[in-house]
Amino acid sequence: KAGVTQTPRYLIKTRGQQVTLSCSPISGHRSVSWYQQTPGQGLQFLFEYFSETQRNKGNFPGRFSGRQFSNSRSEMNVSTLELGDSALYLCASSTGLAGDGGDTQYFGPGTRLTVL
Amino acid sequence: AQSVAQPEDQVNVAEGNPLTVKCTYSVSGNPYLFWYVQYPNRGLQFLLKYITGDNLVKGSYGFEAEFNKSQTSFHLKKPSALVSDSALYFCAVSFSSNTGKLIFGQGTTLQVKP
Repeated sequence: KAGVTQTPRYLIKTRGQQVTLSCSPISGHRSVSWYQQTPGQGLQFLFEYFSETQRNKGNFPGRFSGRQFSNSRSEMNVSTLELGDSALYLCASSTGLAGDGGDTQYFGPGTRLTVL
Repeated sequence: AQSVAQPEDQVNVAEGNPLTVKCTYSVSGNPYLFWYVQYPNRGLQFLLKYITGDNLVKGSYGFEAEFNKSQTSFHLKKPSALVSDSALYFCAVSFSSNTGKLIFGQGTTLQVKP
């Protein structure tokens, strides 16, 4: 099976702009989770989508949003970019069928966002 | 609050020697525990997980981990380290009713020297 894919791999934006990142999960997986990885804060959970519904959410401002399509592909949007949003954004997919925290998440290669 | 701690920023091991990367957690209720590895400019690769049952979990690439409930630990081990094991290792925890969310430790850099 093909793994989790993320596009684009690299992005450079300026402050105040908005950005949309895309994630295609492993075939058959219905859950997609997003994470932000920075040197200072480490890996932090943004949100999780399952069957087009947000099922869980981390502690990020409303500028960070996401959605999931009927084919389980997911997008993440960040509006009004700030310098501190520079990070590696990772998405992960799982079957989501366990309905609890025990599903194994498989990660994509990430999108490296640089905000100037 | 739920948390994971990896007390060592870096672990240095000679090739062929056993390695241990430490992880402790604080979760109310029964935890699900995971180990991931990250190579430079790559995403995270799943190594192994503990859900329930046998406290010794075997995973990919010869790695294993032991769940110790009394010490709230989940240390990653390998009997014989390889230079190619050099990477960044993350311990993560989740728990029931917390779907899709992994709480990660800060990561431990493993350096295996020839």
